[in-house]
Amino acid sequence: DAGITQSPRYKITETGRQVTLMCHQTWSHSYMFWYRQDLGHGLRLIYYSAAADITDKGEVPDGYVVSRSKTENFPLTLESATRSQTSVYFCASRGSEAFFGQGTRLTVV
Amino acid sequence: AQSVSQHNHHVILSEAASLELGCNYSYGGTVNLFWYVQYPGQHLQLLLKYFSGDPLVKGIKGFEAEFIKSKFSFNLRKPSVQWSDTAEYFCAVNTGTASKLTFGTGTRLQVTL
Repeated sequence: DAGITQSPRYKITETGRQVTLMCHQTWSHSYMFWYRQDLGHGLRLIYYSAAADITDKGEVPDGYVVSRSKTENFPLTLESATRSQTSVYFCASRGSEAFFGQGTRLTVV
Repeated sequence: AQSVSQHNHHVILSEAASLELGCNYSYGGTVNLFWYVQYPGQHLQLLLKYFSGDPLVKGIKGFEAEFIKSKFSFNLRKPSVQWSDTAEYFCAVNTGTASKLTFGTGTRLQVTL
């Protein structure tokens, strides 16, 4: 089925650990995005990618790393998780409009 | 840099009441405008979008929005809300030269029976 999928849906990790959130889309959209959603802040852009091997920082990139070796995948890595990175993370891909994944609820303890 | 303001953070309405949610953006050039809805526990879904043409845009579920360029606004309206419209609503903008969407902080709508 066409769409955008994120995994895992829920994740609990410890402070200092590395964790990777996966995002996969089947439309071959060029643009992909990672947002975090926090109460009172709405959605804030972490990183985005215009095409394979092209990535750029958004509003809140510190502590995150992305890669885009294939058009359909856009993983987000927290190199050393901190409690402030507890959030809900949404991946999106964009053609004429943006489509969002179901989100990953990440808790850093 | 583009930015989006949603001044209503939490709105409570009775069923059948009319709705208007404010959205203002700051960017002087060509913009594309969107309203997304997020039902409890779900991902964002597109309600409607404006790229060009008729400034009154109709979307799904009876929602509409009006683009007023002189006021930098793109307010969302619905004549008669239903309990099932309880959700969070996000306004978003992207400029003609960038594909990234900038979101407002969202408005939580609670519709009571």
